[in-house]
Formats: sequence, C-alpha cells, structure tokens
Amino acid sequence: GAVVSQHPSRVICKSGTSVKIECRSLDFQATTMFWYRQFPKQSLMLMATSNEGSKATYEQGVEKDKFLINHASLTLSTLTVTSAHPEDSSFYICSASYSYNEKLFFGSGTQLSVL
Amino acid sequence: DQQVKQNSPSLSVQEGRISILNCDYTNSMFDYFLWYKKYPAEGPTFLISISSIKDKNEDGRFTVFLNKSAKHLSLHIVPSQPGDSAVYFCAATYTDKLIFGTGTRLQVFP
Repeated sequence: GAVVSQHPSRVICKSGTSVKIECRSLDFQATTMFWYRQFPKQSLMLMATSNEGSKATYEQGVEKDKFLINHASLTLSTLTVTSAHPEDSSFYICSASYSYNEKLFFGSGTQLSVL
Repeated sequence: DQQVKQNSPSLSVQEGRISILNCDYTNSMFDYFLWYKKYPAEGPTFLISISSIKDKNEDGRFTVFLNKSAKHLSLHIVPSQPGDSAVYFCAATYTDKLIFGTGTRLQVFP
C-alpha cells in the first residue's frame, strides 16, 4: 500500500527557534496533503490543507504566519513551526491522498517538545 | 507492523440498515480510541471516541463498542443514511502517539 513518511518523529527545541517537519509520499504523487495537530486524548485537529503548487488553506484559528506550509512538489510537503513556544508542543501528523476520491494515508507523526 | 487494522477496505449497506465498521489493534497499551470520517478531498473529521475503561459509547446514530479482551473496536451506524457514505478511520492512542487504521470505505445506497 501507499506509504507516507514523516520526519523527524520527535524533536526537542528551545523556545524561539523554528522547526521544520517533512512529509513525503514514497510511492505515489500526492496532489493533496493535510496537516493535523493532536493533543493527548483529544481528537485530531486539521490545521491546513496543502495542494501542490498553490498556497495552503488554513483552518480557522490557525496562524498561517506561524505554521508555514510548503508543498513544492507532488511528493513533499513541509510544515515549519516558526518561533516555537512551549504551547506549540504537540503531536503533528500529516496525511496524503493522490486523487480526489482516494483514501488517505497517514504519516507516523512528529512529537514536538518546546522547552 | 500495523498496530491498528481495518481489514475491510469497503462496505456497502442499504439505507436504513445498520452499518458495522470493524477495527482490530495489537497494542494493549492503547487507552483511547477514536473514529474519524473522511469525505473526498477533505481531511478526516472526528466522529466519536471511547476510553479504554468503557465498553460502549453512544452519540445519536453512532455507537462505538470496545472489546478489550479481543482487542477489537467497532462502529455501528443505525439507521444508515446516504450522507454517511465516506471513508472511516479508526485510531488508537497512548501517551502522545496517535495511530490510524487504513480506513474502510462505506457506501450507503438507497
């Protein structure tokens, strides 16, 4: 089946630094990628939808200047958390699909801890 | 190793009948389980959840059952409606990890 690789799986950084998370579709071209954030025991929250070659669509309440999303190719989308603060500590997960009506494939997630 | 499995890739149910979506897991450390629903070209949206200390949680037409001894989770939709046609993902979590199944496509026909 289709594989989505997410890297890194865990990152610890100091407050004020920026962190980049990569999401790659390994064996298919992902026209759309989604970025989510999840707090412990809470439901997944969709942050933004990323379409290759165009600007990401952010959900209400998500700061686009803080969470920069780039989907420069059909196999790679990146999420950059800029000037990270402790409240940004969370589990971030990406997912990808390769056509309008296909199932979604998820990355393994990134646990971000901001000190 | 797939820790959360949805062995049925698709399910077709007549409108008004019950839809039962199944999910199996292997990790006994999971303590919270969730179901998500996904329409085409959209991200998944949260549907219903259950804690490992319970065996049933109901919300309107949706009921989730948990059988910890069998490591089995199921979502019941009754009565099924055409608008329920979507892909359903189960997910399991412990500590800070959230692991998804691969999804089951439900089609509800008139």
